[in-house]
Formats: sequence, C-alpha cells, structure tokens
Amino acid sequence: AQTVTQSQPEMSVQEAETVTLSCTYDTSESDYYLFWYKQPPSRQMILVIRQEAYKQQNATENRFSVNFQKAAKSFSLKISDSQLGDAAMYFCAYRSAIGGTSYGKLTFGQGTILTVHP
Amino acid sequence: EAGVTQFPSHSVIEKGQTVTLRCDPISGHDNLYWYRRVMGKEIKFLLHFVKESKQDESGMPNNRFLAERTGGTYSTLKVQPAELEDSGVYFCASSPSDRSHGYTFGSGTRLTVV
Repeated sequence: AQTVTQSQPEMSVQEAETVTLSCTYDTSESDYYLFWYKQPPSRQMILVIRQEAYKQQNATENRFSVNFQKAAKSFSLKISDSQLGDAAMYFCAYRSAIGGTSYGKLTFGQGTILTVHP
Repeated sequence: EAGVTQFPSHSVIEKGQTVTLRCDPISGHDNLYWYRRVMGKEIKFLLHFVKESKQDESGMPNNRFLAERTGGTYSTLKVQPAELEDSGVYFCASSPSDRSHGYTFGSGTRLTVV
C-alpha cells in the first residue's frame, strides 16, 4: 500500500518570502501522479499543482513549483513571493496511474498548516 | 460551471441517530469519491463510484455506513446509527474519466455526533 508523509505539521513564512513544504511517499509502482492541495479556512480543497511521475520536468504553476525526486520519493512544494492568501492547510497526495479497483483513490499526507506573517 | 456541492455544511446529531449527507458532483463527472477527516488525523478514502457502480469501497469503516449514487448523478452517504467516532469532516470529490486529473472537492460536511 502507498503511504504519504508530511513531516512538518506547521510552517510559517513572512510575506514575500519563499517557503518549502516537504512530502515523501512510499510506493512500489513506477507510474503515478502526485498532487498538492490547498485547504483554506473556508474548507474547500483546491488543487495547487500536479506532477506526473514519468515526467522528469518539475511542474510549475505561477508562484508554486515542485521539486520532484523520483528516486528519493520526495515531492516538495515551493511557494515563492508568499502572500497572505497562501495561508492554509496544504496536503500532499498520491494517486496510482495503474488500472485496478483502487486506481482512482487519493492517498493523503497528514497536512501542513502554513501561516503567512505580514 | 457549478462546482461540487455538499449539504448540509454542518450537522450535529445525537449518538444513535441517522444522518444522510449529500453530494452533487460536477455534471458529466463519472467519478465520485467520498473521503473523511477525523479530527487531527489525515484524510482517509471511503469509497469511489464510477457512474452508479461502486468501484472501490475498501475504505468504508463498517456496515453503519451506506453510500448510494442513483442514476450516476448525486450521491448520498448515510450513517446509521451514528457513533461518537464518526465525527469529522466528510468530503466529496468528483473527476472526469481522464485519470491524470486531480479532483474537484466540495466544501465538506462537518458532522458532530454528541
């Protein structure tokens, strides 16, 4: 079974600074997807960024980028030029790309609460 | 495009009562998922519908939980009878057939069993 670990329960950053959230995972599969989701205090989870395991290039979405290290099974999220609106709980998640009954299932990490200080 | 809608947003019930949560996915999304987060713990998968069929219900905790998706549209999750440990936030999500997509989540239902 796959597991996802976020070792940082809480992180904080000053506005306009850069912060990196850590995520490691364990899987025996070679093809999968990794996601970062953001859950603001209003509670709806929003997809921040997605990485396909077979792609070497790290995904980037505006101020959000990932450092995907497949061999190390590491998938960190870097937020540049942090804004007050970035404050939220961030979840790392894994999804298999292989068929089978559980292909659609997301496995989540424990979450990291990010605080942004003005 | 309307998002994933869940209601109620909050529910407080007494132990032993029944509660039904509803999820309306994005129109055209064949896949519908239920997850829950018990206080302080990680989000756990409950089950996955493809249209009206249960693709994977391996996460359902016990037979007090019953999920349905009639006609492949909205889904309900019934807890009967509710226990204290059922308290948490129940999330619904939907996705199109393309597996590479992430999900679109609803805002969740916060269930409190007292």
